[in-house]
Amino acid sequence: QKEVEQDPGPLSVPEGAIVSLNCTYSNSAFQYFMWYRQYSRKGPELLMYTYSSGNKEDGRFTAQVDKSSKYISLFIRDSQPSDSATYLCAMSGDQGAQKLVFGQGTRLTINP
Amino acid sequence: AAGVIQSPRHLIKEKRETATLKCYPIPRHDTVYWYQQGPGQDPQFLISFYEKMQSDKGSIPDRFSAQQFSDYHSELNMSSLELGDSALYFCASSPGFGSYEQYFGPGTRLTVT
Repeated sequence: QKEVEQDPGPLSVPEGAIVSLNCTYSNSAFQYFMWYRQYSRKGPELLMYTYSSGNKEDGRFTAQVDKSSKYISLFIRDSQPSDSATYLCAMSGDQGAQKLVFGQGTRLTINP
Repeated sequence: AAGVIQSPRHLIKEKRETATLKCYPIPRHDTVYWYQQGPGQDPQFLISFYEKMQSDKGSIPDRFSAQQFSDYHSELNMSSLELGDSALYFCASSPGFGSYEQYFGPGTRLTVT
């Protein structure tokens, strides 16, 4: 079983919809929780990070971490066609080198 | 702003050949990570370097080796290539050991025929 599980989708929603992306994990040592956006044939781009539990908001994006349930979410409000991409959750501990453990990625399409 | 540079962007090799991938981190970033992303898969950590020393090792085959040089650029050397080595290889740089921030390059697409 993978340390980080993410529904690969694909997920297709109309423009303006609220999108919810989720990941679950099994390693209690994870302390940093990141969301990356990856366009086709490009490198992952860091969108947001959260340390430990809680919420973080940045414009139309909100990241939530619930460590008690080992569950993280990314919400996208007022979704735009330019948000169409693969979204990867990633996690790391807070000791030593911070290698990232990724989820499988969710392929999201926003339809105009 | 300067980004991570990887070269070459595309590489085609035959089985049993060798390949060298290069990574130039963002200026003043001293930590480099290498990841392998197979088709339709998530990136898998291979190896990392901090201040020219190996800091962590993941699922990197013994046929692969890597190093970080005095100017902080890094090279991933791959020998006896196999068909299964075909993948996107990403390099990410970080501003410091223990920092959560990793900035990814555009990747090198390696095809082994």
